[in-house]
Amino acid sequence: KAGVTQTPRYLIKTRGQQVTLSCSPISGHRSVSWYQQTPGQGLQFLFEYFSETQRNKGNFPGRFSGRQFSNSRSEMNVSTLELGDSALYLCASRGQTSTDTQYFGPGTRLTVL
Amino acid sequence: QQQVKQSPQSLIVQKGGIPIINCAYENTAFDYFPWYQQFPGKGPALLIAIRPDVSEKKEGRFTISFNKSAKQFSLHIMDSQPGDSATYFCAAKGTGSARQLTFGSGTQLTVLP
Repeated sequence: KAGVTQTPRYLIKTRGQQVTLSCSPISGHRSVSWYQQTPGQGLQFLFEYFSETQRNKGNFPGRFSGRQFSNSRSEMNVSTLELGDSALYLCASRGQTSTDTQYFGPGTRLTVL
Repeated sequence: QQQVKQSPQSLIVQKGGIPIINCAYENTAFDYFPWYQQFPGKGPALLIAIRPDVSEKKEGRFTISFNKSAKQFSLHIMDSQPGDSATYFCAAKGTGSARQLTFGSGTQLTVLP
């Protein structure tokens, strides 16, 4: 099976812009979670989607949002970008049988100038 | 109560040594404890995981030791190799609606040839 894929891999934006990141889970996986990774804060949970519904949300401002489509692909959006949003954004999917194990994609490196 | 504390922050060992990375948690509702390995420019990859009803689990050169009463768990890497040089993260998964992973701060391991 192909792994979790994320696009784009690298992105440069300026403050105030918005950005949309995409994630395609492993085939058959219906749960998609998003994490932000920074040197200062480490890996932090953003939100989880399952069957097109947000199931859980981390402690991030409302500028961070997401959605999931019927094919389980997910997007996250960050509006009004701030310098502090520069990070590696990771997507992880979880399957039906081994529901505890999350498999991560390579991430999207976002740089905000 | 959601924190997972990881130590040391960095670790240097000689080839063949046995690096040990430690993690401690507070939330007794955590029910799954994975370790991830991350190379630069890549997403975290699952190494090995354990549930709290087991005190030890081995997979190849990687061993998790789990002490439920102390709320601590550790990763041992036997016969470490230069290719093991990476950042290692411990994590803990919640239950019910809070099934996201809470990560430790990471340990940068360097194995010298």
